Amino acid sequence: DTGVSQNPRHKITKRGQNVTFRCDPISEHNRLYWYRQTLGQGPEFLTYFQNEAQLEKSRLLSDRFSAERPKGSFSTLEIQRTEQGDSAMYLCASGLQGGAMPLHFGNGTRLTVT
Amino acid sequence: DQQVKQNSPSLSVQEGRISILNCDYTNSMFDYFLWYKKYPAEGPTFLISISSIKDKNEDGRFTVFLNKSAKHLSLHIVPSQPGDSAVYFCAASPNLYNQGGKLIFGQGTELSVKP
Repeated sequence: DTGVSQNPRHKITKRGQNVTFRCDPISEHNRLYWYRQTLGQGPEFLTYFQNEAQLEKSRLLSDRFSAERPKGSFSTLEIQRTEQGDSAMYLCASGLQGGAMPLHFGNGTRLTVT
Repeated sequence: DQQVKQNSPSLSVQEGRISILNCDYTNSMFDYFLWYKKYPAEGPTFLISISSIKDKNEDGRFTVFLNKSAKHLSLHIVPSQPGDSAVYFCAASPNLYNQGGKLIFGQGTELSVKP
């Protein structure tokens, strides 16, 4: 399977706990994106990496959120001190720099904060 | 501010007929537009795209039309099939090559194709 892989698929956590999600992009893609989707809305951009450099962060990405892509391959998204409003589907996508190619999405991680 | 809008949350069509999904945008800097399809519990899957230098792009049963003056695009599916039932997202890119390639999505339209 050479698609974008995300783990875990589902995460239930209590308010105040920290959670971490992982994304493995398509291997030849140098760009990696994180999106968040809530019910009835389209995916909202959070941040993106080109290789290991984080080049843009949305204002949606509060200080409790941090994303890394240490070796330019997989990425992690950590949410500290989770709040109920963080409950959403977190989607990862990858793509190629400079190409008119679509972004390829993973199946997401569904986060529920109780 | 919602830069990409899909004003119809849902659409129901009979199998074999045409499905038309609409999308409006406000930012004239958008120069690349895409449609994604999403099934429950899966991520969005790319369907078809169009560059702002074109007004039509066709791929099998799917055709996307772009009207730049009206800042409007539409997706036509002909003939519609029950397997097309899904949520369809319109997305736009502000200068694909120089703005990181990020996409801005509409709210989605849920298409139901009835046998």
